[in-house]
Amino acid sequence: NAGVMQNPRHLVRRRGQEARLRCSPMKGHSHVYWYRQLPEEGLKFMVYLQKENIIDESGMPKERFSAEFPKEGPSILRIQQVVRGDSAAYFCASSPPSSNYGYTFGSGTRLTVV
Amino acid sequence: AQSVTQLGSHVSVSEGALVLLRCNYSSSVPPYLFWYVQYPNQGLQLLLKYTSAATLVKGINGFEAEFKKSETSFHLTKPSAHMRDAAEYFCAVILSGSARQLTFGSGTQLTVLP
Repeated sequence: NAGVMQNPRHLVRRRGQEARLRCSPMKGHSHVYWYRQLPEEGLKFMVYLQKENIIDESGMPKERFSAEFPKEGPSILRIQQVVRGDSAAYFCASSPPSSNYGYTFGSGTRLTVV
Repeated sequence: AQSVTQLGSHVSVSEGALVLLRCNYSSSVPPYLFWYVQYPNQGLQLLLKYTSAATLVKGINGFEAEFKKSETSFHLTKPSAHMRDAAEYFCAVILSGSARQLTFGSGTQLTVLP
């Protein structure tokens, strides 16, 4: 049973380009969460999604960032027109529908904006 | 307002010594509490969680934590440190009404000295 799969592991983008980060949840998990970790900081919540629904996006920057979790396929975190301040590790977690808070984290995507 | 505070961004212990990593939360309603470990360039692994059952929670790798409501604390301990315990440790909470959103502390880097 594969864990939470994130790809790519490392992503380099020039300022102004778009970054697409993918997350495939564990089998049987229908809830996905995205977190961002800036250097020397803890993780900060960005968005919580269920299939085809955004449940809580209170941590998402108002511009350039968007997330989706379609009926088929992985969850995508999209960052348009990246800036150097977007450089960070982005982690995805998933959990089953039950409320036992059994989160499983992926290994993250490390985005570097040059 | 800070929801979770980890005292000490860096802790060093000798191999075989007691490990104590401190975590305090600020909430009038006892939240759900978690400890995660992060090894270099990896995702987060759940060590243990408190979800209003027993106040002393045993986790993986010999770690345990005790929920103390009177002190609003959830400190992580291990009787005897191993070299392999060297990593970054994060305390996290889910606050009432936050729709499964994890709020993380800023982390404590544990160094184990030979």
